[in-house]
Amino acid sequence: DGGITQSPKYLFRKEGQNVTLSCEQNLNHDAMYWYRQDPGQGLRLIYYSQIVNDFQKGDIAEGYSVSREKKESFPLTVTSAQKNPTAFYLCASSIDLGRLIYEQYFGPGTRLTVT
Amino acid sequence: GIQVEQSPPDLILQEGANSTLRCNFSDSVNNLQWFHQNPWGQLINLFYIPSGTKQNGRLSATTVATERYSLLYISSSQTTDSGVYFCAVGGGSGSRLTFGEGTQLTVNP
Repeated sequence: DGGITQSPKYLFRKEGQNVTLSCEQNLNHDAMYWYRQDPGQGLRLIYYSQIVNDFQKGDIAEGYSVSREKKESFPLTVTSAQKNPTAFYLCASSIDLGRLIYEQYFGPGTRLTVT
Repeated sequence: GIQVEQSPPDLILQEGANSTLRCNFSDSVNNLQWFHQNPWGQLINLFYIPSGTKQNGRLSATTVATERYSLLYISSSQTTDSGVYFCAVGGGSGSRLTFGEGTQLTVNP
């Protein structure tokens, strides 16, 4: 059954702790993305990766870090430097062949609450 | 970067009514997608439509790339159509998407 999985669905952390959100896909997609959504707003791009061992900052990368050691996996770490980490985090993936653009598909998301 | 504006921000309909949602964007694009976000937050792909017209059941979409807008049509709306509809666009090299703020649709029985 192909798709994108994110775990956990809900995550609670104390302020000052780093936390890592998981994103795995078995669609054999090249590109993977992390977005953040705040209540009543659209999604904003945090980081994206078009190929293993390479990634680029999106619009709101400060306070976040990523790695892409395997094609299937793109974990996101929310560090203690992120000033407002409480949000809904969505992972996506797509085929990516250079300048050709393909449809993005999204995982179910992780709701992070930091108190 | 590309700016995306969706209208209206909120829309309330009676079941059975038709509606049109609009997405304006500020630059040429090579990717445009419409999504429906359900109450659990899942983004459901509706259309991948950088240009032209597509239909899927009661939903259809049209993108006029030269005039930088896209329209999503919902006919004979049902209560299950409620939720937030997002337009997202991508342009230039790379595959990143820029999202609009969404249209919150409420369909009353």
